[in-house]
Amino acid sequence: SAVISQKPSRDICQRGTSLTIQCQVDSQVTMMFWYRQQPGQSLTLIATANQGSEATYESGFVIDKFPISRPNLTFSTLTVSNMSPEDSSIYLCSVASQGRDTQYFGPGTRLTVL
Amino acid sequence: SQQGEEDPQALSIQEGENATMNCSYKTSINNLQWYRQNSGRGLVHLILIRSNEREKHSGRLRVTLDTSKKSSSLLITASRAADTASYFCATDVTAAGNKLTFGGGTRVLVKP
Repeated sequence: SAVISQKPSRDICQRGTSLTIQCQVDSQVTMMFWYRQQPGQSLTLIATANQGSEATYESGFVIDKFPISRPNLTFSTLTVSNMSPEDSSIYLCSVASQGRDTQYFGPGTRLTVL
Repeated sequence: SQQGEEDPQALSIQEGENATMNCSYKTSINNLQWYRQNSGRGLVHLILIRSNEREKHSGRLRVTLDTSKKSSSLLITASRAADTASYFCATDVTAAGNKLTFGGGTRVLVKP
């Protein structure tokens, strides 16, 4: 399985600011995804990060709020923009390889917005 | 909206006992995956079962899938305190998209 790291592991931010979360994989992967887990809740898919093109967002999530980059097959970033306390969540990236169904998750970034 | 609903929401058992949790879903799936999450950290992949499979085993884990009932179960045998975690089912409804929809999760507490 792929080894996935995320930076930062946690952060406390002020409302109105933005935070960029990095996801690094130790091998090339086809698919990269970003999920949000609100306190006490399950995971919700934010978007699919596409290499070399714009991310594909799920209903309820927009690029202006959650811009995503994926410059290559091993790295992606998610920015949480103009944060409010409602954005306090764990943000997780996950990866999958073409032809393989299993999806592996990073350790998550715990974000608290004051 | 969530594809899967998990039952029970919480489970408390003694070490050595078996833990069973269920997942129901609404639409046809390509596969169903079970994950474990310890204390709000990252998810650990436990087992994947495809729509044409009915049962899979991995160590102390046993997963069943009933596509006619749109349900799956995860059995942990001879539980240990280290099994204390939240367990999530996730369904992949596309053949090539790998997009997962998660259930609400079951919080399992194994008491020593």
